[in-house]
Amino acid sequence: KQEVTQIPAALSVPEGENLVLNCSFTDSAIYNLQWFRQDPGKGLTSLLLIQSSQREQTSGRLNASLDKSSGRSTLYIAASQPGDSATYLCALQGGSEKLVFGKGTKLTVNP
Amino acid sequence: DAGVIQSPRHEVTEMGQEVTLRCKPISGHDYLFWYRQTMMRGLELLIYFNNNVPIDDSGMPEDRFSAKMPNASFSTLKIQPSEPRDSAVYFCASSPGRGGSRRDTQYFGPGTRLTVL
Repeated sequence: KQEVTQIPAALSVPEGENLVLNCSFTDSAIYNLQWFRQDPGKGLTSLLLIQSSQREQTSGRLNASLDKSSGRSTLYIAASQPGDSATYLCALQGGSEKLVFGKGTKLTVNP
Repeated sequence: DAGVIQSPRHEVTEMGQEVTLRCKPISGHDYLFWYRQTMMRGLELLIYFNNNVPIDDSGMPEDRFSAKMPNASFSTLKIQPSEPRDSAVYFCASSPGRGGSRRDTQYFGPGTRLTVL
């Protein structure tokens, strides 16, 4: 059974700092890995999707990497802004359409 | 497109009452998912449909929960009878599936916050 862990559960940084969020998983037989953002009282928004054959994906100030052999993914946020404050969730898709989520990292970027 | 639409946004009910949550997926999406989110357990998949057919309901907690998708534009999640431990945020999501232009991405609705007293 796939298990997804995100550490830390919460992170507070000053504006402008570069930061890394971590995601680890137990089963490397994945189809893809996705990073989502969740704002309070809202649904989830997909940020980046990495296929199992890829090593990284980039979108603006965000860069996600995938290392299946070690069971790890990172989400790098450059030059953080207060608007980046949200909970970030990592999710893995295996052989079916099911996604298995981590519990997320709550990020606070202080002005 | 308006995105995934869920109703109601908030529901407060008393233990033992029937609760029905509704979802309208994005037009043209082949997959529909129901999730439950709690502080303790995080986001869990309850059930998902492909072309209106339930594919995997292994996440449905017990027989009090049921889900239907009578057509491509509507799905319901019903809890009968409801219990306080069912209090959570319930999300619906849809996906074009692996044949879509943006493969595999799931698009989430805003959720229904359910409180069972």
